[in-house]
Amino acid sequence: DSGVTQTPKHLITATGQRVTLRCSPRSGDLSVYWYQQSLDQGLQFLIQYYNGEERAKGNILERFSAQQFPDLHSELNLSSLELGDSALYFCASSVAPGGAETQYFGPGTRLLVL
Amino acid sequence: AQSVAQPEDQVNVAEGNPLTVKCTYSVSGNPYLFWYVQYPNRGLQFLLKYITGDNLVKGSYGFEAEFNKSQTSFHLKKPSALVSDSALYFCAVRNSGYALNFGKGTSLLVTP
Repeated sequence: DSGVTQTPKHLITATGQRVTLRCSPRSGDLSVYWYQQSLDQGLQFLIQYYNGEERAKGNILERFSAQQFPDLHSELNLSSLELGDSALYFCASSVAPGGAETQYFGPGTRLLVL
Repeated sequence: AQSVAQPEDQVNVAEGNPLTVKCTYSVSGNPYLFWYVQYPNRGLQFLLKYITGDNLVKGSYGFEAEFNKSQTSFHLKKPSALVSDSALYFCAVRNSGYALNFGKGTSLLVTP
């Protein structure tokens, strides 16, 4: 158990809908990262937050957004969902955004868009 | 851009034999390299990382990795494979923005 929690574990929804994925980082970690894992794209970095502020963006679609709250938990919002958004979404956390810091991953949320 | 490549989609090894999962990197500057393992329906578990110093890095569950600057490689190794080591292994490199760029993964199958 990495100490990173994600809810829900599974999510089934329809095209055009909006969902919110939630992540609680390890105790003491200030930095949160979101990744998407799909069969065709592999593991891709989406977005990073540090202590409530956005630090970096990866291959995140405009339909997707995220935020980190004062208690350091983070939410990833996915809207106008398409079939291709079906994937496993991981949250990871680290103490700080420094280069040597290890990122610890949560168990993921499996999203299925029908 | 910082990237890694895992040239093998699958590696098969018999239990008790040594295993190697290959990873090569392409970076500007000094690389920060990581290995993670993913079991079915689970998240990624951190195994080990190379930041600087000793080229042989020891990690969790008996795994180790050898950093080779001249060959730009960071291969994952274990002296004696277990059936329970069967999983998906990812090599990753820290990019300039501190996120991880992952390889496509290598499926390890250890047969009894």
